[in-house]
Amino acid sequence: QKEVEQNSGPLSVPEGAIASLNCTYSDRGSQSFFWYRQYSGKSPELIMFIYSNGDKEDGRFTAQLNKASQYVSLLIRDSQPSDSATYLCAVNPRAGNNRKLIWGLGTSLAVNP
Amino acid sequence: GAGVSQTPSNKVTEKGKYVELRCDPISGHTALYWYRQSLGQGPEFLIYFQGTGAADDSGLPNDRFFAVRPEGSVSTLKIQRTERGDSAVYLCASSLTGNGANVLTFGAGSRLTVL
Repeated sequence: QKEVEQNSGPLSVPEGAIASLNCTYSDRGSQSFFWYRQYSGKSPELIMFIYSNGDKEDGRFTAQLNKASQYVSLLIRDSQPSDSATYLCAVNPRAGNNRKLIWGLGTSLAVNP
Repeated sequence: GAGVSQTPSNKVTEKGKYVELRCDPISGHTALYWYRQSLGQGPEFLIYFQGTGAADDSGLPNDRFFAVRPEGSVSTLKIQRTERGDSAVYLCASSLTGNGANVLTFGAGSRLTVL
């Protein structure tokens, strides 16, 4: 079992819909969770981070964390074509440092106009 | 600088050659990370610096890879006797400290192609 798993996709949604991206992780002691967006040929850029169980909202983005079930998700409301990218889930397995973030392979999202 | 700067953006070299990749982190960021990313993969951790010292180099694949950060700012990743399998995008990131609460900011990457 990979340490951080994501469906590779592609996930295709129509413009204006909600895109739901999921990530599961194997280390129950993991402390912090990050969603990065990566456009083709570009470097990852942070979308959101979450540390506590529950939801965290930032504009059109909502991160959801459930430590008991070991999953973290990202919801994108009112999806736009500019949201089309690969979304990488990264997990920090230990408190106090993020040098060894464990990354998923990413989910490719396509938002169709 | 305003962002993380990496040079060169592209490097094509022949098998067996020596390569240096440079990273200039965000001013004031004490933590610096090197990752590499192959097509269709997530970033793979290589090495982490806190200040001038390599706090964790456990991700370096073998002794052909070495990195330095002599003055606690600019870092150079050095690859000796390059192999075709070293071809990847090498990403540098920095954060304010090495604390898990700090967000990584990535540079644009250096794409290395070993022929």
